[in-house]
Amino acid sequence: DSGVTQTPKHLITATGQRVTLRCSPRSGDLSVYWYQQSLDQGLQFLIQYYNGEERAKGNILERFSAQQFPDLHSELNLSSLELGDSALYFCASSLSTGGDTGELFFGEGSRLTVL
Amino acid sequence: KNEVEQSPQNLTAQEGEFITINCSYSVGISALHWLQQHPGGGIVSLFMLSSGKKKHGRLIATINIQEKHSSLHITASHPRDSAVYICASHSGNTGKLIFGQGTTLQVKP
Repeated sequence: DSGVTQTPKHLITATGQRVTLRCSPRSGDLSVYWYQQSLDQGLQFLIQYYNGEERAKGNILERFSAQQFPDLHSELNLSSLELGDSALYFCASSLSTGGDTGELFFGEGSRLTVL
Repeated sequence: KNEVEQSPQNLTAQEGEFITINCSYSVGISALHWLQQHPGGGIVSLFMLSSGKKKHGRLIATINIQEKHSSLHITASHPRDSAVYICASHSGNTGKLIFGQGTTLQVKP
């Protein structure tokens, strides 16, 4: 058990819909990272938050947004969903202040299927 | 643009064999991660290293900064080592990682 909790574990929805994925980091970790893993693209970094502020952005679509709340949990919002958004979405956390990631602790992932 | 290449893509070994997975990257980095992903999908961080060598149990990771190359070695492989192994490079002062495509390892009893 990594200490990182992601919900929901599985989600099936239709094109055009909006979903929210939630991540609770390990106790004490201030940095949260979101990654997307699809069959054709592999793992890709989406976005990093540190203590409530956006720290780095990767290949995150404009239809996607994220935030980190004062209690340090984070949410990834995916809107106007397309078939190609079907993927595993991972959250990870670390103690890092942002200079490097430090050791990463991953959640079990949220599997999104868009029909 | 930093790219991360792993080899081989697929690897089948017999139990007990010594295994090496390679990772090359194209630009200077500050750290390299090795991750393990089991068939169920969960990801575990194995190593983060910026120089030299690290060892944990039967796993050894090395990195050569000058050659922009890292290797993950598994000694006395076991069927439970069967998983996808992913390397990821980190550069700059943010948490952005660039991932390799993964190496699928199957260890047969």
